[in-house]
This record gives sequence, structure tokens and C-alpha cells, in this order.
Amino acid sequence: QQQVKQSPQSLIVQKGGISIINCAYENTAFDYFPWYQQFPGKGPALLIAIRPDVSEKKEGRFTISFNKSAKQFSLHIMDSQPGDSATYFCAASGGGADGLTFGKGTHLIIQP
Amino acid sequence: EAQVTQNPRYLITVTGKKLTVTCSQNMNHEYMSWYRQDPGLGLRQIYYSMNVEVTDKGDVPEGYKVSRKEKRNFPLILESPSPNQTSLYFCASSFWGPGANVLTFGAGSRLTVL
Repeated sequence: QQQVKQSPQSLIVQKGGISIINCAYENTAFDYFPWYQQFPGKGPALLIAIRPDVSEKKEGRFTISFNKSAKQFSLHIMDSQPGDSATYFCAASGGGADGLTFGKGTHLIIQP
Repeated sequence: EAQVTQNPRYLITVTGKKLTVTCSQNMNHEYMSWYRQDPGLGLRQIYYSMNVEVTDKGDVPEGYKVSRKEKRNFPLILESPSPNQTSLYFCASSFWGPGANVLTFGAGSRLTVL
């Protein structure tokens, strides 16, 4: 299955700072790029998603930036808060039956 | 409440003792999938199903079986569990079709095989 490479594996950010998580993909057939957020003891939940016809999508403090030519996309969390501390997964899909391909996850800690 | 329900949430078993992790969804989703989550490896797909009686292997199917006899249920079967199957397991579901990519995950089942 095609890979989605996610970095960093872990990230510590001060409260109020900007958290940035990056992902790169290989398969040019991917046309849907979601980010999932997972709190301890819970299943992942969709946070925000983008399709390649736009370069940026913003929902509140969360923004996806998408670079189609570089085959990269990133999640920016503005004004990071302790409640944002969680594991974040990027993913990609080309609409195939096998569904989403996930990155390995980023463990984000926001220090108060 | 729309949800994916997994049982059991926690299980400790011994090598070779068959077990089943159940998964049920109440959203009339066509697509269901099982993932395992391991530190440093992220979420890896075990099996998926596009509809009743239609299942296929994901990235790490070895040692697992699934069935999809009803639309709402998608149990994961470990016929002869081994310690390398100690992991956190998630069931997920979604609608199937163009634009229908939002997975709803269960709360997870933590399995320990001794």
C-alpha cells in the first residue's frame, strides 16, 4: 500500500504557540487528505480534511496547507492550547476500496 | 447516538485461545474496517469490508479473520492468538461512494496475549 510519511513523531509546543505537523505522500492518485485527532483512551476522530483543488483550508485554529507539486500537506494549529494535546494522524485516500492510508502519528504536547 | 461499538474494551488472554472482538455500527454504513495501533507504527489496516459478504485483506491480515454477515456487524476473529498480536484494535465505519470518506472509529479494544 502506498505510504504517507508523517513528521515529527513527537512535538512539544508552548501554550499560545503554533504547532506544525507535516506529511508527504507518493501516490498522485490520492485526492482526499484528512487529519484525525486522537485523545488518550479514545478512537481517532476527523479533525479537518482537504481536497487537492485548494491550497489551504481553515477551520477555527486549525489549518491544512496543501502543496500538490511537492506532494506535501501540513496541519497548523494556531494559538495552541493544552486541550490540543493529543495524537494527530494525517491520512490520504484515492477513493479505492482499501480506504485511508494513515501516517504513523504525531504525539503533540502543549505545555501550559 | 451514532456510534461504533467494540467489545471487549480490554482483554488479556493466552497464546492459542481463540477470541472474537465484536464491532457494531448503528449508522447504516456500507464500509467497515479493522485497524491495529502500535507505538511508532501508527494505524495499520487489517481487513475491510465494502458491504455484506464482501471482505478483503488490508496491510497486516496474517493471523486474523473477519466476517460480514450483517451490515451492522464486523467481528474480528483471532483463531490462535500470539504475543505479537498484543495491540490496540480499532473498528471503523463509513458510507461508501464518491466523497464518502469520513471514518467513524470505535473506542478501541486493548488486547494482551500472554
